[in-house]
Amino acid sequence: RKEVEQDPGPFNVPEGATVAFNCTYSNSASQSFFWYRQDCRKEPKLLMSVYSSGNEDGRFTAQLNRASQYISLLIRDSKLSDSATYLCVAWPSNYGQNFVFGPGTRLSVLP
Amino acid sequence: EAQVTQNPRYLITVTGKKLTVTCSQNMNHEYMSWYRQDPGLGLRQIYYSMNVEVTDKGDVPEGYKVSRKEKRNFPLILESPSPNQTSLYFCASSLFPGVNGYTFGSGTRLTVV
Repeated sequence: RKEVEQDPGPFNVPEGATVAFNCTYSNSASQSFFWYRQDCRKEPKLLMSVYSSGNEDGRFTAQLNRASQYISLLIRDSKLSDSATYLCVAWPSNYGQNFVFGPGTRLSVLP
Repeated sequence: EAQVTQNPRYLITVTGKKLTVTCSQNMNHEYMSWYRQDPGLGLRQIYYSMNVEVTDKGDVPEGYKVSRKEKRNFPLILESPSPNQTSLYFCASSLFPGVNGYTFGSGTRLTVV
């Protein structure tokens, strides 16, 4: 089983739609979680961190469910510019270990 | 401008010819890391470094070497490249990944023929 799993998609949604991505992680000791977005052939860019209480940044909301070991990303009022691949990241608590990326979910927002 | 700089952006080489991909960051970050990205396999960590002279293997270290002699630089060395190392490579740095996440360079597309 992979450490971090995501729905591969693609998700094709119309502009203005609300779309949700889920991500599960297998290491229960993971402490920190992030969402990145990656445009085709470009570098991943940090979208937002995910905190235990959940957090919101404009149209984006991230939530963490430690009991079920999953995190989610909700995008409201999606824009054409939101089209990208969204990568879920878990950071293990063991000192020295590093980021584990999920395989990513591709989103296409259609006009 | 705060950034991670990788060079070259594109490289085509032949099997067995040693090459180095450079990575430099100007943010005084402690952590640096190399990833490769392949279709269907996602981003996989090659090596990472927590500080000068401290490096450790990631998930796919075979065929690669790194060094961290200075805080700002973290070169990736392929002593004898093979076609299965054809990939998109990213360097990344962070003050502390668990808190700040990683900042990535623009990537190096390597083709080994």
